[in-house]
Amino acid sequence: DVKVTQSSRYLVKRTGEKVFLECVQDMDHENMFWYRQDPGLGLRLIYFSYDVKMKEKGDIPEGYSVSREKKERFSLILESASTNQTSMYLCASSPSGTSAKNIQYFGAGTRLSVL
Amino acid sequence: GNSVTQMEGPVTLSEEAFLTINCTYTATGYPSLFWYVQYPGEGLQLLLKATKADDKGSNKGFEATYRKETTSFHLEKGSVQVSDSAVYFCAHFLTGRRALTFGSGTRLQVQP
Repeated sequence: DVKVTQSSRYLVKRTGEKVFLECVQDMDHENMFWYRQDPGLGLRLIYFSYDVKMKEKGDIPEGYSVSREKKERFSLILESASTNQTSMYLCASSPSGTSAKNIQYFGAGTRLSVL
Repeated sequence: GNSVTQMEGPVTLSEEAFLTINCTYTATGYPSLFWYVQYPGEGLQLLLKATKADDKGSNKGFEATYRKETTSFHLEKGSVQVSDSAVYFCAHFLTGRRALTFGSGTRLQVQP
């Protein structure tokens, strides 16, 4: 079974802190994604990566950056956390290419509260 | 633009009732369509998919048919169970975008 593991289920941080959300997948997938999930808005894509050190902005990249130094690990970074970044963050991975057959596999999510 | 619209929830049903969750989409081109499900405390998992017009995806008693003429992909189940209580997300995938576009999600609550 594909496993996507997010390092924390719950995080509480203060405004202005630098926050790292970590995600690891064990299926050698090329593509990895970060979404945020908010009530009434569904999932919105923040960033994705299609290879080591490669990244592309999603729909809502402002206030976020990412790092992919190894194939299995994709980190989301909040340089200076703000209260409007309080949300559920979901990581996903999928195999290479852009085929619709490449199903995305999701982690359990990290619920971040910024106070 | 490219978007996915789902009916607002929550949807509350009694066990063994018939379920329909509506989903419509807008897209440039011909997307593949998906339903994902999120059980309490878990991430999303794929429920079913359809990659071309008139395809029917099915899994665990759930079905959805890709209707190009109405740009819809409604989710149905003939007899829901308490264990089906979850949030259901409709999504589409456009070749070249690399990522899914999700609807806002519909919470289903099934009462015994």
